Amino acid sequence: EAGVAQSPRYKIIEKRQSVAFWCNPISGHATLYWYQQILGQGPKLLIQFQNNGVVDDSQLPKDRFSAERLKGVDSTLKIQPAKLEDSAVYLCASSLAASAYNEQFFGPGTRLTVL
Amino acid sequence: AQTVTQSQPEMSVQEAETVTLSCTYDTSESDYYLFWYKQPPSRQMILVIRQEAYKQQNATENRFSVNFQKAAKSFSLKISDSQLGDAAMYFCAYRYSGTYKYIFGTGTRLKVLA
Repeated sequence: EAGVAQSPRYKIIEKRQSVAFWCNPISGHATLYWYQQILGQGPKLLIQFQNNGVVDDSQLPKDRFSAERLKGVDSTLKIQPAKLEDSAVYLCASSLAASAYNEQFFGPGTRLTVL
Repeated sequence: AQTVTQSQPEMSVQEAETVTLSCTYDTSESDYYLFWYKQPPSRQMILVIRQEAYKQQNATENRFSVNFQKAAKSFSLKISDSQLGDAAMYFCAYRYSGTYKYIFGTGTRLKVLA
């Protein structure tokens, strides 16, 4: 079974530029999550999708971050414009269903550096 | 608000020895789940073990076991017969049954010494 795929793995941009990350979840997984993991901290949920609908985006900085999940499969996370404090690893995860018991499967992450 | 605290930023253990990683959490809920995730240097997080709060029996998965103390809100991870491949960041996570959001601790970096 293929895992969660993310691209790119690394991205370096200057502040005020735009960047987009892509995630392909495990086939059949209805729930998709985007996390931000700042160095030395645990992951923080940015947004959760159930199929192509948003379940939770309470911690997404909506003035600069946006995310979509077209057709309930792949998802993109965009930052526009980027700030220095956005430097972090962005993790995508998926699970079979939005149940608290279900395991989340994580992708390898995208390491973003904002200069 | 629910919080998860890992008070040990870094731990070391000799190969083949046993180590315990600590985790405490705060919640007013009674129905929740607790998890330990491992994040090796390659960054892909994988589930190590999970515990349902309604179960009194501590979960075990091969060399990994937990000590779940619900009243004390403590959820420690014990790794027996430590191996070099166990070296990683370990995150404790809480998940309330009413939502599906994980709340992660800040992590403990485990070093395994040969």
